[in-house]
Amino acid sequence: DAGVIQSPRHEVTEMGQEVTLRCKPISGHDYLFWYRQTMMRGLELLIYFNNNVPIDDSGMPEDRFSAKMPNASFSTLKIQPSEPRDSAVYFCASSTPGTDQETQYFGPGTRLLVL
Amino acid sequence: SQQGEEDPQALSIQEGENATMNCSYKTSINNLQWYRQNSGRGLVHLILIRSNEREKHSGRLRVTLDTSKKSSSLLITASRAADTASYFCATGYSGNTPLVFGKGTRLSVIA
Repeated sequence: DAGVIQSPRHEVTEMGQEVTLRCKPISGHDYLFWYRQTMMRGLELLIYFNNNVPIDDSGMPEDRFSAKMPNASFSTLKIQPSEPRDSAVYFCASSTPGTDQETQYFGPGTRLLVL
Repeated sequence: SQQGEEDPQALSIQEGENATMNCSYKTSINNLQWYRQNSGRGLVHLILIRSNEREKHSGRLRVTLDTSKKSSSLLITASRAADTASYFCATGYSGNTPLVFGKGTRLSVIA
C-alpha cells in the first residue's frame, strides 16, 4: 500500500491567494483527519470525516478554511483567501475500524508558506 | 488545546544509552499512543497502549501507562543515531476519534 498521499508537498503562495491541499487516504480506511502543525500550537485537529461525512469541524480556524471529501479516496482542504498566519505543515491521516482502529496513518504533510 | 505534555522538551544522549520521555495528560482516555516524527517528515506510529494496560513492549521500545497519575513514559533502549527525531504522545478517547497531541520531545542521539 502506498500509504496516505498528500499533494503538493510544498506550497509557497502570496497572501490573498487560494490554496488547495489534497489527500488520498489508505484504501479501505473510512476515517480521514486533517491536522495542522505549527511551532506555537503544535499539532491540532482541523476536521475529520467518517464515510465522507464531516463529523467535527470545530478545529477549523475560520470561514476561510473549508474541507470536502467527495468520495472515499479523496479529500481537499481549501484556504481562501490565505494569510501569512496560515503558514504551517498540514497533515492528513486515515484510520479504519477493527483491531487497529485507533492507529492513525499520517501522510508526509504539505508545508505551506504564505508570504 | 494540548492534552498531553511531554517532558523533557529536548533530550540529547550518546548512542547506546537509553532514552526516557514522559507524557502527562489531563482527562480520562481510552488509549495513549506514541508517534515519531523525523525532521520535515510525517508522523510514524510507534506503539499504542490501552487504558487497561500498564506496560507494553515493541522491539527496543517500552511504554508504561499510569492512569491514576495520568502519565505515560516511553523508553528507547540502546539508542541509535537513527532514533534522532521528535516523539509525540497522543491520547484517544475511543476508536477512530481524533488524537490530541502533546508538543513533543526532541531527541538527539549522538554517534
